[in-house]
Amino acid sequence: TQLLEQSPQFLSIQEGENLTVYCNSSSVFSSLQWYRQEPGEGPVLLVTVVTGGEVKKLKRLTFQFGDARKDSSLHITAAQPGDTGLYLCAEGLTGGGNKLTFGTGTQLKVEL
Amino acid sequence: KAGVTQTPRYLIKTRGQQVTLSCSPISGHRSVSWYQQTPGQGLQFLFEYFSETQRNKGNFPGRFSGRQFSNSRSEMNVSTLELGDSALYLCASSVDRVGLETQYFGPGTRLLVL
Repeated sequence: TQLLEQSPQFLSIQEGENLTVYCNSSSVFSSLQWYRQEPGEGPVLLVTVVTGGEVKKLKRLTFQFGDARKDSSLHITAAQPGDTGLYLCAEGLTGGGNKLTFGTGTQLKVEL
Repeated sequence: KAGVTQTPRYLIKTRGQQVTLSCSPISGHRSVSWYQQTPGQGLQFLFEYFSETQRNKGNFPGRFSGRQFSNSRSEMNVSTLELGDSALYLCASSVDRVGLETQYFGPGTRLLVL
């Protein structure tokens, strides 16, 4: 069974600071997705990475997929209170249906 | 397009009872997946339905079951509720093209078992 460990588990920072969240696997990812979940809502997909070494940017968010496809990171520049939420990495099947295995999650709080 | 809707949003049951949760996917989406989210275990996959058939299944006991209707709407049922079944139950839908899908999640049903 794929185990996805995220670190840190909790993160509380001030507005304007930078942060990095990590997702590590016990085996090679077939593909990796990052989600953000806000209170009272379901997770929302931020990005999908499939190629080792891939880097994707989404405004102030930078996603990196490790060369060996066993780890990934999410870097947020100049965090804002609107970035507050639960960040989840997830591995998905690339065929045969939809089944996501989620990481343990990183709860981020950005304060003014 | 309307998003994924789940009903009810909140539910309180007692141990031993059964419960049915409903999920209406985004129009045109044919795959519906269910997940359980708890503080201790995180987000865990329950099962996925496509064309009224269960296509994938997670590691949950047989008390958890589901079905999908011809209009792609889905229900999940939990029988003989236990305290540990208290959780947020999330439903997600996708179009089901070939390749990695984007899954769209509903807001969830929060179940409390007393």
